[in-house]
Amino acid sequence: GDSVTQMEGPVTLSEEAFLTINCTYTATGYPSLFWYVQYPGEGLQLLLKATKADDKGSNKGFEATYRKETTSFHLEKGSVQVSDSAVYFCALSDPWGGGSNYKLTFGKGTLLTVNP
Amino acid sequence: IAGITQAPTSQILAAGRRMTLRCTQDMRHNAMYWYRQDLGLGLRLIHYSNTAGTTGKGEVPDGYSVSRANTDDFPLTLASAVPSQTSVYFCASSDRGVSNEQFFGPGTRLTVL
Repeated sequence: GDSVTQMEGPVTLSEEAFLTINCTYTATGYPSLFWYVQYPGEGLQLLLKATKADDKGSNKGFEATYRKETTSFHLEKGSVQVSDSAVYFCALSDPWGGGSNYKLTFGKGTLLTVNP
Repeated sequence: IAGITQAPTSQILAAGRRMTLRCTQDMRHNAMYWYRQDLGLGLRLIHYSNTAGTTGKGEVPDGYSVSRANTDDFPLTLASAVPSQTSVYFCASSDRGVSNEQFFGPGTRLTVL
């Protein structure tokens, strides 16, 4: 079945540091890939997405590239801010991989803390 | 206001009691989902509905039931709550397009004593 593996964290960085959160996936079909962010006390918000190989999703200075050859979708940001402190979830949707639903398969989440 | 609303925001419940968590969306999305979020386990799908009138079981359906009488509402019922159902519950919806982007509600924090 489908699965997502992301670095477990927690990750603690200083402001303006470079961020990478690794994410790899296993899917039977041709999935779409997502990064969601959850700020303290809130629900999940879509951060960025990519629907096919070599697509780059980007938003708020974050980027991730869909790498089919390495089955990866690593999240990066060149200079993090204190306001980026949150939990980040990698996820995939594989509606062509069998089954009749369009569910998301999530990684376990990575807690990022950015210190001033 | 467009989006997903959930009620209640939080609830403390005695074991054995029945509880319904409410979820309403105004985006006319076909599909809706219920997840639970537990520390160290991420989000796990409880039940889903691809369209009004249909429902399906997710990864952890035991002890929960859902109904989808119309497009907008997707209530989750715990028939007889147990302490292991203490969790944060999120409702989500999507239009089942190619990318299947899901939109999440703010969550319900449930404590079963």
